[in-house]
Amino acid sequence: DQQVKQNSPSLSVQEGRISILNCDYTNSMFDYFLWYKKYPAEGPTFLISISSIKDKNEDGRFTVFLNKSAKHLSLHIVPSQPGDSAVYFCAARSTGGFKTIFGAGTRLFVKA
Amino acid sequence: DAGITQSPRHKVTETGTPVTLRCHQTENHRYMYWYRQDPGHGLRLIHYSYGVKDTDKGEVSDGYSVSRSKTEDFLLTLESATSSQTSVYFCAISEVQGTQETQYFGPGTRLLVL
Repeated sequence: DQQVKQNSPSLSVQEGRISILNCDYTNSMFDYFLWYKKYPAEGPTFLISISSIKDKNEDGRFTVFLNKSAKHLSLHIVPSQPGDSAVYFCAARSTGGFKTIFGAGTRLFVKA
Repeated sequence: DAGITQSPRHKVTETGTPVTLRCHQTENHRYMYWYRQDPGHGLRLIHYSYGVKDTDKGEVSDGYSVSRSKTEDFLLTLESATSSQTSVYFCAISEVQGTQETQYFGPGTRLLVL
């Protein structure tokens, strides 16, 4: 039973355009959501997060949107750059819990 | 950089042999985690620790044990390695700001069980 789902295994985008990565969750107790970026042969690195009290959080080229009623979040990268090519993991947790639940990841290819 | 190192970074072993992976952190974090990453599954929690000698199971703990005798070291042991344990293993620590907790990962250990 996957509580966090990333239904697109891969996404290909042209350099300079917008990349939109999607994530759905099923557990209504989740109240903190995170995105991680992972390059080959490296550990995942924290990218951006959002609390359930917000519906948008922006950090430079990266924006995360949260739709609680739909249990859906998305990561927007604008403009996309070749260096953004990586695997992106969506993750979720509930306050006070020990566990962070990760999605299966989406591999983003940004073409020059 | 959360000051996390993992050793070894790569290991090849044979089925049935014991294997221990080490995670070392330098910033006195209380919470530490072991994950495995497999294609199509993302990151799955094996075990976690919330203090010295305090550990608990994650979602894929069968065949694994952990120990934490010092704050800085969290060891993951495969008592008798199997081919299904071929994976990339990541250690993580948590940083808490207010009520929000964010995990930071080590560089990973790639394990091949033949």
